[in-house]
Formats: sequence, C-alpha cells, structure tokens
Amino acid sequence: DQQVKQNSPSLSVQEGRISILNCDYTNSMFDYFLWYKKYPAEGPTFLISISSIKDKNEDGRFTVFLNKSAKHLSLHIVPSQPGDSAVYFCAARTDNYGQNFVFGPGTRLSVLP
Amino acid sequence: EAGVAQSPRYKIIEKRQSVAFWCNPISGHATLYWYQQILGQGPKLLIQFQNNGVVDDSQLPKDRFSAERLKGVDSTLKIQPAKLEDSAVYLCASSSTGRNTIYFGEGSWLTVV
Repeated sequence: DQQVKQNSPSLSVQEGRISILNCDYTNSMFDYFLWYKKYPAEGPTFLISISSIKDKNEDGRFTVFLNKSAKHLSLHIVPSQPGDSAVYFCAARTDNYGQNFVFGPGTRLSVLP
Repeated sequence: EAGVAQSPRYKIIEKRQSVAFWCNPISGHATLYWYQQILGQGPKLLIQFQNNGVVDDSQLPKDRFSAERLKGVDSTLKIQPAKLEDSAVYLCASSSTGRNTIYFGEGSWLTVV
C-alpha cells in the first residue's frame, strides 16, 4: 500500500516552460517532505524540502507547494532546462524522531530543447 | 566534504550465491540507511541505523538479508542466498542527527541471473 504516490510516471515539457510534478500522500501525520532528483546510474540528490508548517518553499528555479488539506504537494520548475531531465522522487518523513522517510515511485521528466 | 561512498558499483551473481555491499557514510553522520530500489519504483527502506544500533529493520527480509554497522561508521549489507527478485540498486544514505535531509551514495547495482 503506497503511502506516497506520484501518479504520473512521465512528463515531457518544452525548454523554457514550466514543469509541474505532483505528489500525493495518504497519512496526515506526515510533517516534512523532500524532493530528490536522480540521473541514470547515479544516486538520488536532494533538491528541496518543505515543512508542514509552510505552504510554499522556493529555491531558485524550484518551488514546492504543499496543500495539507488535500494531502498534496507539487514541485514547479521554472524555466525548465534540458539538464533538468531526470527522475524526480517525492519523499515524506514518517515520524518526528526517527528520520524515517518513505518515497514515491518517481516521475521521469524530459525537457525537450 | 566527501559524500556517501559505496562499493562495488556493479555486481552480477547467480541465484543462490551470496553478495555483500559496503557503505561509508558522510563523516559525522550518525544515521545510516540501506534502501532497495527496484527498476521503476521508488527507494524502499531496508534498514536504518542510529550509530551502531538498529532503528528500523521491519522491511528487511531477515531470512536472506543481514546488515551490520560495527563501530557506528561503515556498514555492510549481505544477501545470502540471492534470488532473482533481489535484482535492484542498493542505495546507502546517511543523515546528521536532527537534520531532515538524507544524502545518498551512487548505489550498488545487483543483477541476479
């Protein structure tokens, strides 16, 4: 039973446009969320995070939005660049003390030149 | 600062054979994780250590998988005997106490034939 869902396995976007990657979670007790980016043959690298006390966090071209009532978060990339082509994982912290994280299945983003 | 180191990067074994993966976390990181990532899925936690103690091993198939973190630094994950369905990337990650971000190594790719 997936606790973190990313319902779009893949997404294609034109260079310069906005990429929106979505993530849904099932447990309202999750209080901290992270996005990771993964290139082929490499480990996931941390991208951006958001605490449940916020509804938005921004870092350069990357913005994460959190809608707690809908148990939904999204990652916006503006403008999208070909180097952003990768698999993006959403992760949720499952408890306050154990630093335990559960990951979604990922969305493969392709940014077309 | 050196990242999470893993070895070997690639391993091909026959079913019923054994294999061991090694991980050296980021210096000073007390928490160490082993994740299994099957193609097309998100990383799934196998075991989490805090220093040299196990925090969570609820998803570790203990009949064939074992892990240890002697002296609270390096860790070894062993599979014996391997099954075809163990073919995956084994990701080691670490985090600092009280921090909400985990850092991954490049992964160890296992193919069981």
